[in-house]
Amino acid sequence: SQQGEEDPQALSIQEGENATMNCSYKTSINNLQWYRQNSGRGLVHLILIRSNEREKHSGRLRVTLDTSKKSSSLLITASRAADTASYFCATDGETSGSRLTFGEGTQLTVNP
Amino acid sequence: DAGVIQSPRHEVTEMGQEVTLRCKPISGHNSLFWYRQTMMRGLELLIYFNNNVPIDDSGMPEDRFSAKMPNASFSTLKIQPSEPRDSAVYFCASSLQTGPLEQYFGPGTRLTVT
Repeated sequence: SQQGEEDPQALSIQEGENATMNCSYKTSINNLQWYRQNSGRGLVHLILIRSNEREKHSGRLRVTLDTSKKSSSLLITASRAADTASYFCATDGETSGSRLTFGEGTQLTVNP
Repeated sequence: DAGVIQSPRHEVTEMGQEVTLRCKPISGHNSLFWYRQTMMRGLELLIYFNNNVPIDDSGMPEDRFSAKMPNASFSTLKIQPSEPRDSAVYFCASSLQTGPLEQYFGPGTRLTVT
């Protein structure tokens, strides 16, 4: 079963608006990462947040982590048409070794 | 750095044929992962290697699938015989074994089995 579950499954917004995507997971984690996948391409790492961190920023990206609720959110501010992609969360834990467990992804469409 | 390199980018083959997908990880990375992505099942981990040794192959769907990593700079995923349900995009990714486990993905191989 998927460790990470993103919601919503699909999100459509206008350019300039903010986009928020959520990820929930089931077991304890060491780190949580967010990846982006453009259509027909491989996944690209965006940002990593460790289990002892609560918030992290990178450019227009803001990630929060709530380990008590086993959830994370990815906020993209001032969205652009180029942000149109699928976004996945991925987790690793004490027993997962090098492997990551990916969620099912959120398809974000930013309309110009 | 050229990133993770996969070949071929597209493969169309007939049912029953052998298919070999290739991957060159980023130099210095010692973990390598093979994934399969479909609309129905999403992104699935098939197998991963640490230091060329297979660590977890529980995601390999059946005996028709096999993977090797003969050295630190090359890995193959083989399907023999191929079936239409194997049609998918296959990704290779690499990372450092220690550290934050950020994975770098290749562009993928789109496999179509007719």
